[in-house]
Amino acid sequence: QKEVEQNSGPLSVPEGAIASLNCTYSDRGSQSFFWYRQYSGKSPELIMFIYSNGDKEDGRFTAQLNKASQYVSLLIRDSQPSDSATYLCAVNKYNQGGKLIFGQGTELSVKP
Amino acid sequence: DVKVTQSSRYLVKRTGEKVFLECVQDMDHENMFWYRQDPGLGLRLIYFSYDVKMKEKGDIPEGYSVSREKKERFSLILESASTNQTSMYLCASSPTGRFPDTQYFGPGTRLTVL
Repeated sequence: QKEVEQNSGPLSVPEGAIASLNCTYSDRGSQSFFWYRQYSGKSPELIMFIYSNGDKEDGRFTAQLNKASQYVSLLIRDSQPSDSATYLCAVNKYNQGGKLIFGQGTELSVKP
Repeated sequence: DVKVTQSSRYLVKRTGEKVFLECVQDMDHENMFWYRQDPGLGLRLIYFSYDVKMKEKGDIPEGYSVSREKKERFSLILESASTNQTSMYLCASSPTGRFPDTQYFGPGTRLTVL
């Protein structure tokens, strides 16, 4: 079992729809959870972080965390073609400082 | 804003050459990381450092070494470049004891070894 798992996609949604990206993790001691967006040929950029169970909203983005189920998700409302990218889920490694474990990423395609 | 810079965006080297990739961050972060990213394989950690002169192996350290003589600078060295080291190399930094305790990435260096 991979430490952080994501559906590789591609996930295709029409413009204006909600895109739902999912991630599961295996380390119950993980405390910090991050979503990065990576455009083709570019480096990952942080878009959301979440530490507590529940939802966290930032503009069109909502991160959801359920530690009991070891599940974190990212919802993108009113999806735009510019949201087309690969989304990486990352989870901190318990008791190993700043080390993060990254999922393989989910490729999102938003069709006009 | 956090700024992480890498010495080159694109680099072409020949097999057997010694290659230096440099990374500099300006946010006084304690932790620095080197990854490589290849299609279908995701981000793979090569080495990381929690402090000056400290280094720890990541998942794929073979064929690489690192140097951290100053807090803001973390260098990746390919002792004798090989074609299977052709990849995108990404540097990142993160703080200790400050939030968000996430990693911030540089723009990446696309290295081609011929």
